[in-house]
Amino acid sequence: EDQVTQSPEALRLQEGESSSLNCSYTVSGLRGLFWYRQDPGKGPEFLFTLYSAGEEKEKERLKATLTKKESFLHITAPKPEDSATYLCAVQHGNTDKLIFGTGTRLQVFP
Amino acid sequence: EPEVTQTPSHQVTQMGQEVILRCVPISNHLYFYWYRQILGQKVEFLVSFYNNEISEKSEIFDDQFSVERPDGSNFTLKIRSTKLEDSAMYFCASTGTGQETQYFGPGTRLLVL
Repeated sequence: EDQVTQSPEALRLQEGESSSLNCSYTVSGLRGLFWYRQDPGKGPEFLFTLYSAGEEKEKERLKATLTKKESFLHITAPKPEDSATYLCAVQHGNTDKLIFGTGTRLQVFP
Repeated sequence: EPEVTQTPSHQVTQMGQEVILRCVPISNHLYFYWYRQILGQKVEFLVSFYNNEISEKSEIFDDQFSVERPDGSNFTLKIRSTKLEDSAMYFCASTGTGQETQYFGPGTRLLVL
């Protein structure tokens, strides 16, 4: 069965304390892995798309990496404004639909 | 920067009533989607729409649901007879091609009483 699992469920960091969020997936024929940020009561906001193992993307304090089984979202020196839920989603086979994980709720304290 | 918009932002309805949720996708996009998120749960795919027809739908998208592109800009989701379990955030998304990044709207919070 297609599955996307994110860990940890919740993460509390001190401002400046770097960490990583994990997204592991079991799908056949991965076409793309997507990272989104979601603030409470809002829609998912696009961050990164990764297509093949070994690929890396960076944006400000965030860096996303992809292997054949998982993806990591590395957060370097986070700030309180990075507090949000980070969602991972995969697209596979010949379907356009995104399969989402349950997300990691990140809180960054000053 | 182009964005997906949705109306209304909140909708309260009585069980059994019909609701229509509206979306304006990004103007040059061709593929449209509806997802929903029940409070505290993951985002779930409902339906994809391309070239004026449904290209894929999930098990959730039963006969009570329908989608339509009534004109060149709007994309709607209709729930004919709402149930309590339809209470959720409904997100519209669009993309230029089916393989590109899907951009999401801000959502409509639907509450069925």
